[in-house]
Amino acid sequence: EPEVTQTPSHQVTQMGQEVILRCVPISNHLYFYWYRQILGQKVEFLVSFYNNEISEKSEIFDDQFSVERPDGSNFTLKIRSTKLEDSAMYFCASHRTSGEETQYFGPGTRLLVL
Amino acid sequence: KNEVEQSPQNLTAQEGEFITINCSYSVGISALHWLQQHPGGGIVSLFMLSSGKKKHGRLIATINIQEKHSSLHITASHPRDSAVYICAPGGFGNQFYFGTGTSLTVIP
Repeated sequence: EPEVTQTPSHQVTQMGQEVILRCVPISNHLYFYWYRQILGQKVEFLVSFYNNEISEKSEIFDDQFSVERPDGSNFTLKIRSTKLEDSAMYFCASHRTSGEETQYFGPGTRLLVL
Repeated sequence: KNEVEQSPQNLTAQEGEFITINCSYSVGISALHWLQQHPGGGIVSLFMLSSGKKKHGRLIATINIQEKHSSLHITASHPRDSAVYICAPGGFGNQFYFGTGTSLTVIP
């Protein structure tokens, strides 16, 4: 069965460094999402992406964050200058059509900012 | 901002019991997501629905958009159903607001 993959599974970085989290959605999917979950807290929406542009973003998704689909397969989340509070599990998700379709989640990338 | 409340927060059931998890939200939405998060952290999407009822195996989800309420039911619960169940009102392409989840433990 096709699945969403994410790399790396774990990343440790120093505060102020840039990180890029990578996701490979299922190949015929058109809608893409990034979520994060700080340890012990609820999942939070970051951004949705369709037709090569951001559809919606939350207040968390400030100028330090950006998303890109550089080559038609990868979907990346970049954090320009990481802060301690960016430490979280980041999940990518995708689905094919609009309407009532469930999303397929990747396994997540655990980011630790020191 | 959409306030999302789930009840109960924690639930322990005996194997075979019928389980109901409730979700209420404050802002009108086009659809609602039910998710399952396993102890290891992985997330599985169970349902996306905008009206009425959906069924998948032993799971049933219902939504009343006018009353801003949704329920997730598990029939004949099994220990492998033990997980955190999360509702997230929103809509495709739009922002989803996540509840804090209901932690379910099913005892053999």
